[in-house]
Amino acid sequence: GQNIDQPTEMTATEGAIVQINCTYQTSGFNGLFWYQQHAGEAPTFLSYNVLDGLEEKGRFSSFLSRSKGYSYLLLKELQMKDSASYLCAVRSGGSYIPTFGRGTSLIVHP
Amino acid sequence: EAQVTQNPRYLITVTGKKLTVTCSQNMNHEYMSWYRQDPGLGLRQIYYSMNVEVTDKGDVPEGYKVSRKEKRNFPLILESPSPNQTSLYFCASSLQVPRTGSLEQYFGPGTRLTVT
Repeated sequence: GQNIDQPTEMTATEGAIVQINCTYQTSGFNGLFWYQQHAGEAPTFLSYNVLDGLEEKGRFSSFLSRSKGYSYLLLKELQMKDSASYLCAVRSGGSYIPTFGRGTSLIVHP
Repeated sequence: EAQVTQNPRYLITVTGKKLTVTCSQNMNHEYMSWYRQDPGLGLRQIYYSMNVEVTDKGDVPEGYKVSRKEKRNFPLILESPSPNQTSLYFCASSLQVPRTGSLEQYFGPGTRLTVT
């Protein structure tokens, strides 16, 4: 099985930077996803990391360390619309279907 | 437009009355899956399918059935729904990008099911 941990809730200020951490324990790691989900809506894809290091996509960046079983999602220049849940999901054992953590609810306030 | 569709979007039903939630994708994806999402528990896999006629159990398959007779469709069947199956259900389809090895997963809009 897999064990994926993320903080339940975080708050941050508009314009600031926030880092959402995800740790995982799994065998046969294949890759790690980050998704954004607004309340009542479907998750939308943000990033997929397979190799160690930082990948940047506009205001969002995702980092992976396979040896530490650790990833983070970095959000810069926070906007109110970034208030959402952020889901970490791990793909392992050759499966194309990832397993999700419980998600981190991010609240951005003015 | 590339998309995953689910129907119905909202359903209120009674215990024991069989129901089917349909899922269809127009992207020719091989991999499809069903999740349920409950407060505090996150997204949990119910069933997944790697190809036509190939299905497998996820983490919470009890009380559900699926079928994959064609590539585009992956219906979720509740033979005898119970109140503990009240939840928000998402269908998803996935594709591995050959050039990069990256994996892309697209979700349907969700089906909110209430079983009384």
